Amino acid sequence: RKEVEQDPGPFNVPEGATVAFNCTYSNSASQSFFWYRQDCRKEPKLLMSVYSSGNEDGRFTAQLNRASQYISLLIRDSKLSDSATYLCVVNTNAGKSTFGDGTTLTVKP
Amino acid sequence: DADVTQTPRNRITKTGKRIMLECSQTKGHDRMYWYRQDPGLGLQLIYYSFDVKDINKGEISDGYSVSRQAQAKFSLSLESAIPNQTALYFCATSDPGFTDTQYFGPGTRLTVL
Repeated sequence: RKEVEQDPGPFNVPEGATVAFNCTYSNSASQSFFWYRQDCRKEPKLLMSVYSSGNEDGRFTAQLNRASQYISLLIRDSKLSDSATYLCVVNTNAGKSTFGDGTTLTVKP
Repeated sequence: DADVTQTPRNRITKTGKRIMLECSQTKGHDRMYWYRQDPGLGLQLIYYSFDVKDINKGEISDGYSVSRQAQAKFSLSLESAIPNQTALYFCATSDPGFTDTQYFGPGTRLTVL
């Protein structure tokens, strides 16, 4: 079993749709959690950190459930520019990051 | 100017050749990382370094070596390249603060024939 598992996708949604991605992690000692965005064959870039209380940044909402070892990302009112691969990332307190395989989102007109 | 740079950006080499990928950063971070990415997969950690005197193996270090020449420079070497090392290679840095966010270079596309 992989340490970080994501919805396999791909997700194909129309503009304006709401879409949710899920991620589970196996290491209960994990300390910090992130969603990164990666455009085709380019470098990953931080989308948002994920906090225990949940956090929102515009159309994006991230949630963390430590008891279930589960992270989610909700995108509301999808835009064409949201098309990308979304990577779930989990850090241990040793400073190492483990990446999920990513979920690909395509937003269509 | 980019905070994390990688050279070369693209490289085609032959089986058995030695190749070095270089990474430089101007972010002043102590932590640096090398990852590889294969199509459809996430990033796999090759090596990481938390300061100039610290080098650690990641998940897939076999066939690779690294050198941390300075706080700002971290090089990855393939001593004898093989075709299954064809991949996209990313260097990253991080600041071990509360968030430990990673900042990535633009990547090196390596093809081993």
